[in-house]
Amino acid sequence: GAVVSQHPSWVICKSGTSVKIECRSLDFQATTMFWYRQFPKQSLMLMATSNEGSKATYEQGVEKDKFLINHASLTLSTLTVTSAHPEDSSFYICSAITWREGGTYNEQFFGPGTRLTVL
Amino acid sequence: RKEVEQDPGPFNVPEGATVAFNCTYSNSASQSFFWYRQDCRKEPKLLMSVYSSGNEDGRFTAQLNRASQYISLLIRDSKLSDSATYLCVVKGNTPLVFGKGTRLSVIA
Repeated sequence: GAVVSQHPSWVICKSGTSVKIECRSLDFQATTMFWYRQFPKQSLMLMATSNEGSKATYEQGVEKDKFLINHASLTLSTLTVTSAHPEDSSFYICSAITWREGGTYNEQFFGPGTRLTVL
Repeated sequence: RKEVEQDPGPFNVPEGATVAFNCTYSNSASQSFFWYRQDCRKEPKLLMSVYSSGNEDGRFTAQLNRASQYISLLIRDSKLSDSATYLCVVKGNTPLVFGKGTRLSVIA
């Protein structure tokens, strides 16, 4: 299947700092990328949908000013957690797709995830 | 009511056992259904799609009952390597919606 990478794979930071996570589709052009968050023993929760060249669409309850998403190219989306706090510690996973004609898409391809720990 | 509900387990079974996982979903407009597998601290990986006619992939059998909004996964002859969390996943016109997952531990 298609390959999606994330960087960094893990990060530990102090409270109040900002952390940028990159998501890249390595062998295909991803018109849309999704950002999920997973807390321990919880399901993956969709945070936002990112379309190349336009503003991200955030799910209810997700602060767009805190979780900045940029999808500047067809192969790269970034999530920046601004002024991170311990409650932001989580497993962040991106997922990428390419739309087919008719408004459908094939499998969502997942990145390996980024584990964020805020001290 | 949560969109996708699963028994969280854990299911602890001996090698060779048959184990079944169940899942219900609330959105009757859901169009596609999947089982994903997630290992500890890893991203979820597609195990198999689920069709109304039922489908089988080796030791894994998936069933879908649209009328009851119910999905199942059967694993036969469990292997130690099957130990993981199994996620029931549903898709409508939106991105994938994940259940919390059911944890399986296969014991030697």
